[in-house]
Amino acid sequence: DGGITQSPKYLFRKEGQNVTLSCEQNLNHDAMYWYRQDPGQGLRLIYYSQIVNDFQKGDIAEGYSVSREKKESFPLTVTSAQKNPTAFYLCASSITPRTGDSYEQYFGPGTRLTVT
Amino acid sequence: DAKTTQPTSMDCAEGRAANLPCNHSTISGNEYVYWYRQIHSQGPQYIIHGLKNNETNEMASLIITEDRKSSTLILPHATLRDTAVYYCIVRGNNDMRFGAGTRLTVKP
Repeated sequence: DGGITQSPKYLFRKEGQNVTLSCEQNLNHDAMYWYRQDPGQGLRLIYYSQIVNDFQKGDIAEGYSVSREKKESFPLTVTSAQKNPTAFYLCASSITPRTGDSYEQYFGPGTRLTVT
Repeated sequence: DAKTTQPTSMDCAEGRAANLPCNHSTISGNEYVYWYRQIHSQGPQYIIHGLKNNETNEMASLIITEDRKSSTLILPHATLRDTAVYYCIVRGNNDMRFGAGTRLTVKP
């Protein structure tokens, strides 16, 4: 059963702590993405990775870090430097994007992080 | 900068066609139009995409104007389960920019 998994679905942390969100896919996709969603708003890109051991910053990378040591995994760390970490975090994957090609992103179920 | 403009919300009667408009007047020649939807607190679900021609699949139809500056997503027979936020996206080279979308409410 192919897909993207994110765990846990709900996560609670104290302010000042780093927290790592997991994202795993078994779709054999090269590209993976992290988005943040705030209430009533669209998704904003945090980081993306097109290949193992390589990743690029998205629009709102400050206060976040990622790693891509394996093709299947793209964990996101929300650091204490992130000023407003409470949000819904979505991971996605796709085939390797090439200019001019079409592709769709497949999304995981999301992790709702609450920091108090 | 989402590059698309959509109405904030729309209603549709159950069993009727839902027509969701999207403006993308600055679209480039090689950029695709994608549609996703998001049911509350879930990950977005891919619906359909197109470049120039109209497209149809088991979920919906996509009508793109000849000048490609706007498009319409059509759900031919809306059901209550189609209530969701629908995102129209013009895809850049490496990422997708999601705007606020249209909140479609299907009513009995």
